[in-house]
Amino acid sequence: RKEVEQDPGPFNVPEGATVAFNCTYSNSASQSFFWYRQDCRKEPKLLMSVYSSGNEDGRFTAQLNRASQYISLLIRDSKLSDSATYLCAQNSGYSTLTFGKGTMLLVSP
Amino acid sequence: GAGVSQTPSNKVTEKGKYVELRCDPISGHTALYWYRQSLGQGPEFLIYFQGTGAADDSGLPNDRFFAVRPEGSVSTLKIQRTERGDSAVYLCASSLIAGELFFGEGSRLTVL
Repeated sequence: RKEVEQDPGPFNVPEGATVAFNCTYSNSASQSFFWYRQDCRKEPKLLMSVYSSGNEDGRFTAQLNRASQYISLLIRDSKLSDSATYLCAQNSGYSTLTFGKGTMLLVSP
Repeated sequence: GAGVSQTPSNKVTEKGKYVELRCDPISGHTALYWYRQSLGQGPEFLIYFQGTGAADDSGLPNDRFFAVRPEGSVSTLKIQRTERGDSAVYLCASSLIAGELFFGEGSRLTVL
C-alpha cells in the first residue's frame, strides 16, 4: 500500500472558485506534513507546512485530521496562476519525506 | 543565485554507461536529499545526507546507485551500468528545517 495517496485529478475549476484536495497517509507516527506545488516541468516548491491541526496562509488553508489520517488543502478565490500539481508529503523518518503522486489543478478563465 | 544548483540539466546516455549527476546545495544547509521523479509520479526518495554522512540510503534502488558528499556541501549521485528504467528527472534538495526542502531544477536523465 502506497504511504501517501492523492486523487490525480485534474480538477478543473473556474477563476474565483474554491477547491479542496485531500491526501490520505498510512504512517500514523508522522508528526509533520507538507504541501508542495509543482509547475509543469519545474521543481517542487514548498507551499505549506502542517505540524498540528492546520495552517492558513492567505487564500490557502491546510487541515490535518489525525483520526482519519488525511490532510486537506483548500484554495479560495482560485487564480489562473494556481494551475499546477499539488504534492502532499509526510515525514517518514527523521528528515525524509514521502510524497504522493500529486493532484493536478487547472483554473480556467 | 542562491538556490540549489544541479548539473547537467539534461543527460542522454546509452544503456550500460556510467553517469554522474552533481548537486550544489544552498550554502549553510547541512541536509541534502536526492529524489527521482518519473512522469506522472511524485518524487521518490533515494538518499539523505546530514553533513558528510548518508543518514538514510534506504531509497537507493540497487547497488548500481551510489552517492557521496565528501566535504558536506556538493554531492554527486553516481549510476553505474545505466538501464532504460533509470530514465527520470533526478532532483536534489537541501534544507535547514526538517521537511522544508528547497529543490534544484533537476537533472533529466535519458537512457537510450
